[in-house]
Amino acid sequence: RKEVEQDPGPFNVPEGATVAFNCTYSNSASQSFFWYRQDCRKEPKLLMSVYSSGNEDGRFTAQLNRASQYISLLIRDSKLSDSATYLCVVNGAGNTPLVFGKGTRLSVIA
Amino acid sequence: NAGVTQTPKFRVLKTGQSMTLLCAQDMNHEYMYWYRQDPGMGLRLIHYSVGEGTTAKGEVPDGYNVSRLKKQNFLLGLESAAPSQTSVYFCASSYSWGAEAFFGQGTRLTVV
Repeated sequence: RKEVEQDPGPFNVPEGATVAFNCTYSNSASQSFFWYRQDCRKEPKLLMSVYSSGNEDGRFTAQLNRASQYISLLIRDSKLSDSATYLCVVNGAGNTPLVFGKGTRLSVIA
Repeated sequence: NAGVTQTPKFRVLKTGQSMTLLCAQDMNHEYMYWYRQDPGMGLRLIHYSVGEGTTAKGEVPDGYNVSRLKKQNFLLGLESAAPSQTSVYFCASSYSWGAEAFFGQGTRLTVV
């Protein structure tokens, strides 16, 4: 099983739609979880950290399910500017650097 | 507020040539990383450093060397470039292991 797995998409949704992405991770000892956003030909940037109790930032909601080892990202009221690739990120086994999923591509269509 | 800066942004090399990519961060981070990103492969860790004077291998270290002589700089070297090393290279840094990583703008390298 790969360390971090995501559905590559693409997810094509109309403006205003709600869309959700899931990500599974293999290391049950992982403690740090993030969602990053990467625009075409740009560097990844932190979208939000994911906390055990779940957290919200405007239209974005992140959830963590430790028992099932998955993380989710919900985007409400999608905007054209949300079009990007969303990377699920987890810290690896032991003292190792962050492990990145391959990303889920989102296209929001007018 | 520069953050993480990579030099150069673009480069074309001939097979067998060597080059060094420079990464500089001004956030006083201990941890620095080099990733490569290829279509369909995601970000893969090449080498990383947990502090000045230290380096360690990541997932795909072959064909690359690194050095961290100063805390703020992390250099990635290609001794004899191969077409398989055509990629986008990202440098990143973080305050600690589980903390957010900040990325440079990337270097697009083509080896012909």
